Amino acid sequence: TQLLEQSPQFLSIQEGENLTVYCNSSSVFSSLQWYRQEPGEGPVLLVTVVTGGEVKKLKRLTFQFGDARKDSSLHITAAQPGDTGLYLCAGAGAGGTSYGKLTFGQGTILTVHP
Amino acid sequence: EAGVTQSPTHLIKTRGQQATLRCSPISGHTSVYWYQQALGLGLQFLLWYDEGEERNRGNFPPRFSGRQFPNYSSELNVNALELEDSALYLCASSLPGTGVFGYTFGSGTRLTVV
Repeated sequence: TQLLEQSPQFLSIQEGENLTVYCNSSSVFSSLQWYRQEPGEGPVLLVTVVTGGEVKKLKRLTFQFGDARKDSSLHITAAQPGDTGLYLCAGAGAGGTSYGKLTFGQGTILTVHP
Repeated sequence: EAGVTQSPTHLIKTRGQQATLRCSPISGHTSVYWYQQALGLGLQFLLWYDEGEERNRGNFPPRFSGRQFPNYSSELNVNALELEDSALYLCASSLPGTGVFGYTFGSGTRLTVV
């Protein structure tokens, strides 16, 4: 069974601060996907990283995939109140019984105070 | 372009009854995925359908079943409902073979079992 440990579970910061969310696993994934979910809505895809060591930037958000494709991080620079929400990492199965399946982390609830 | 649509948005059932949830994927997407998001448990993979066939299923009992129709829409059936089946059920879709690059999720069906 593949597991994805996401930390921290809760993050409460002031506007302008930086933060990092981590996702770690002992399993190798085909890709690591990051989603953001608002209350009452489904998750919305932010980015997918596929290659070990890959770094992607989306405005103030930086996503990194570990060299061994087992872990990932999301770094937000100068957080704003609009960044408030639930952030989820998800690993795409690399084959066998994991094929076609996403394993989700438990999520990080981020609150950015003005 | 219409997104992934799910119906109904809310469903209240009595323990022991059956529930049917429906999903229409984005036009052109042949893969449909079902996930359960229960409080405190995160998103758990339920089922994956592609081209009308069940391709993979998660660790859920057989009373969770579904099907995919020729127009690629999908139905999730939950028989003999239990209180712990209360959750947000999310449907997602992707182009064939591209789930590794990310899904588009619907807004979900909130199932409450009383």
